[in-house]
Amino acid sequence: GDSVTQMEGPVTLSEEAFLTINCTYTATGYPSLFWYVQYPGEGLQLLLKATKADDKGSNKGFEATYRKETTSFHLEKGSVQVSDSAVYFCVLFIRGATNKLIFGTGTLLAVQP
Amino acid sequence: DTAVSQTPKYLVTQMGNDKSIKCEQNLGHDTMYWYKQDSKKFLKIMFSYNNKELIINETVPNRFSPKSPDKAHLNLHINSLELGDSAVYFCASSPTRLGVNYGYTFGSGTRLTVV
Repeated sequence: GDSVTQMEGPVTLSEEAFLTINCTYTATGYPSLFWYVQYPGEGLQLLLKATKADDKGSNKGFEATYRKETTSFHLEKGSVQVSDSAVYFCVLFIRGATNKLIFGTGTLLAVQP
Repeated sequence: DTAVSQTPKYLVTQMGNDKSIKCEQNLGHDTMYWYKQDSKKFLKIMFSYNNKELIINETVPNRFSPKSPDKAHLNLHINSLELGDSAVYFCASSPTRLGVNYGYTFGSGTRLTVV
């Protein structure tokens, strides 16, 4: 069935370090891919998205490229800040009658000053 | 103006009680959802309604019953609460026809603690 696998956390980095959070998926058809972020004590927010192969989503210095050949959507940021500390979810969107979102388990990122 | 609002934000209750969580969206979206986030931050869909009609009903105990009086509201009622029901519950909405902009919007969550 359709599923998302993302790297387990927590990921602990120093400020200005390079970030990669791996995400791979299994899906029939041509899904869309998202990264959602949940800051401490807050709800979910859409961080970035990609709707087709080779699309690159970007926002707030974060980037992710939809790689159909490797079924991946890895999240990257060149220089993290303490304010980036949050839980990041890789999400698969299956378009259809149900418009279903399938969430990865989430990766906790902790950035230390 | 909050687009998707859930009430209450926190709910502490005893085992065996019945409780409801309310959700309202003012975005004009046709589809609304309930997601459960457990203590490990894992999110899983529970229900989805489209224009007041149930279209997703994942494997959820019968004690959970969604109710949609109109397409702007999707309430979650839980009977005979159990310890394992403790989690954060998120409401979300989206437009029925999704084009380039995927309009999923989440509420801020309701933290339910069963003691």
